[in-house]
Amino acid sequence: QVQLVQSGAEVKKPGSSVKVSCRSSGGTFNRYGISWVRQVPGQGLEWMGGIIPMVGPTDYAQKFQGRVLITADESTTTAYMELSSLTSEDTAVYYCARSLDTLTLRDAFEIWGQGTMVTVSS
Amino acid sequence: DIQMTQSPSSLSASVGDRVTITCRASQGISNYLAWYQQKPGNGPKLLIYGASTLQSGVPSRFSGSGSGTDFTLTISSLQPEDVAIYYCQRYNSAPPLTFGQGTRLEIK
Repeated sequence: QVQLVQSGAEVKKPGSSVKVSCRSSGGTFNRYGISWVRQVPGQGLEWMGGIIPMVGPTDYAQKFQGRVLITADESTTTAYMELSSLTSEDTAVYYCARSLDTLTLRDAFEIWGQGTMVTVSS
Repeated sequence: DIQMTQSPSSLSASVGDRVTITCRASQGISNYLAWYQQKPGNGPKLLIYGASTLQSGVPSRFSGSGSGTDFTLTISSLQPEDVAIYYCQRYNSAPPLTFGQGTRLEIK
């Protein structure tokens, strides 16, 4: 059974960067899209961007363009999301999620990581 | 960007009731719509994709319908374990893959 296991909680200073990892266990890693979705406490879900590891080029939400970098390492079946120039408004739970079907990001998300809490505070 | 609007934002119903949640897209999205359930402290769980296809393992009391701009999620007989926030999501075209704002479902 495929699982996505994310790295632990982070506390960051404003202006710094954070890098969250998402390791896939089981199944075929490189053919499925991995997206990143964030949830500000008490609010809804917001798609940030995603990557299909075997294809490479990423899609990003315009809101995060220039500030987010999503990468994947096929050798370790791990995806990463790095967000820079952090502000308090980036305090949120960050989820990785795998697409239902192969070779597309434009899909429902079948499998979710457990979430990583990122707190931005001076 | 295509906006997704859910209604109601919250509702309270009794065990055994039939519950309907609506999601409207600002433009047609064919049937590229998913529904998720999120319980407190957990990540979302996929319930329905393709507007009406039940994800494996999801109880049959959940169903989805609609196409184009108007979609519904129905719970035929509400159970206590269905207390959660429900989100719709469109995935038909270029990003962002937008979610609705969520519907909080409680038991009376």
